[in-house]
Amino acid sequence: GAVVSQHPSWVICKSGTSVKIECRSLDFQATTMFWYRQFPKQSLMLMATSNEGSKATYEQGVEKDKFLINHASLTLSTLTVTSAHPEDSSFYICSARPFGQANDEAFFGQGTRLTVV
Amino acid sequence: GENVEQHPSTLSVQEGDSAVIKCTYSDSASNYFPWYKQELGKRPQLIIDIRSNVGEKKDQRIAVTLNKTAKHFSLHITETQPEDSAVYFCAASIRGQNFVFGPGTRLSVLP
Repeated sequence: GAVVSQHPSWVICKSGTSVKIECRSLDFQATTMFWYRQFPKQSLMLMATSNEGSKATYEQGVEKDKFLINHASLTLSTLTVTSAHPEDSSFYICSARPFGQANDEAFFGQGTRLTVV
Repeated sequence: GENVEQHPSTLSVQEGDSAVIKCTYSDSASNYFPWYKQELGKRPQLIIDIRSNVGEKKDQRIAVTLNKTAKHFSLHITETQPEDSAVYFCAASIRGQNFVFGPGTRLSVLP
């Protein structure tokens, strides 16, 4: 199957700093990528939809100025958590569906565990 | 928007028994329903999926059924094994759009 690579897999940062997470589709193009957040023992919740060459679409309650998304190419989307606080500690995971494919399957990155201290 | 409910939240079965997890969805436009298995700290892994034009699909010990009229779909695992222990998520989506996940079911298979 297609491969989505996400980095870093884990990061610890100080409160007030920013963290960038990368999501790459290695063997397919993705005009759209999705960013999810998963708190312990909870489900994956969509944060935003990343659109190549245009602005991301954020879900209600997600601060676009805090969670900056850039999708500059058909294979790379980045999520930057700005001015991180302990409550931002979570498991962040991206997914993508190959552009134009008939199959509906989505492919997930490995996830990034962010801990803000 | 779409809302997906999932039951039970936890499920314990004896090794060799069957496990059934049920989900309901609200948006009749949803047409793709995957099931994911997630182990602690890892990405979700697709275990089976079904499209709205199909009522049932089976892959070895795993099967999924879909009732479009009632807007519910179920995961069936037969002959459970300890390695089946994990959290299982159902999801619903419209082609090309994001997934809406159910809250998850923690399955424990007791040896």
